[in-house]
Amino acid sequence: DTGVSQDPRHKITKRGQNVTFRCDPISEHNRLYWYRQTLGQGPEFLTYFQNEAQLEKSRLLSDRFSAERPKGSFSTLEIQRTEQGDSAMYLCASSLGTPGYGYTFGSGTRLTVV
Amino acid sequence: GENVEQHPSTLSVQEGDSAVIKCTYSDSASNYFPWYKQELGKRPQLIIDIRSNVGEKKDQRIAVTLNKTAKHFSLHITETQPEDSAVYFCAASKGTGNQFYFGTGTSLTVIP
Repeated sequence: DTGVSQDPRHKITKRGQNVTFRCDPISEHNRLYWYRQTLGQGPEFLTYFQNEAQLEKSRLLSDRFSAERPKGSFSTLEIQRTEQGDSAMYLCASSLGTPGYGYTFGSGTRLTVV
Repeated sequence: GENVEQHPSTLSVQEGDSAVIKCTYSDSASNYFPWYKQELGKRPQLIIDIRSNVGEKKDQRIAVTLNKTAKHFSLHITETQPEDSAVYFCAASKGTGNQFYFGTGTSLTVIP
């Protein structure tokens, strides 16, 4: 299934550890987004990139979170000193950013902090 | 910022009946309204979208209507089938390249 790829699919980590997730967007998409989804809720915006530039960050993205897209292709999302409240599904999406073209989401990385 | 409310949170219909999910938004600058379907454990998938210069859009059994004045939009699924069972999310955006504000989801169950 070509599309947006995320790795890993699942991550269990101990509180206080650092974790890093990777997203590979659809190759021709210049915009890449990170969302967080908790059980029973809709996805919440974290940040997005146009090419390698990080254009917007949500207030949800605390200092422990950092995202990069160094060459305008894949992106990484790092969470430092994880807390139990970080447990969620982290979704990546990409788009062309042009009218009439919605996001394509990846399958997500499910993070469980124990 | 934008606030999107979605109702109902759960919906059960008999197979073959219609289902309607409604969303309201707060920011009059929002101009793009996609709907996503998410099956358990899977990624959200775009099923239909509408832009603010259009009042209605239809794709086979799925239609979306938009009332800009009242700031609400709705998803209509006709002749429902068991495979329509999923969680549906509405969203609002100020453009397709910008961040989406999602509703809290509607869990639709189609009873065979």
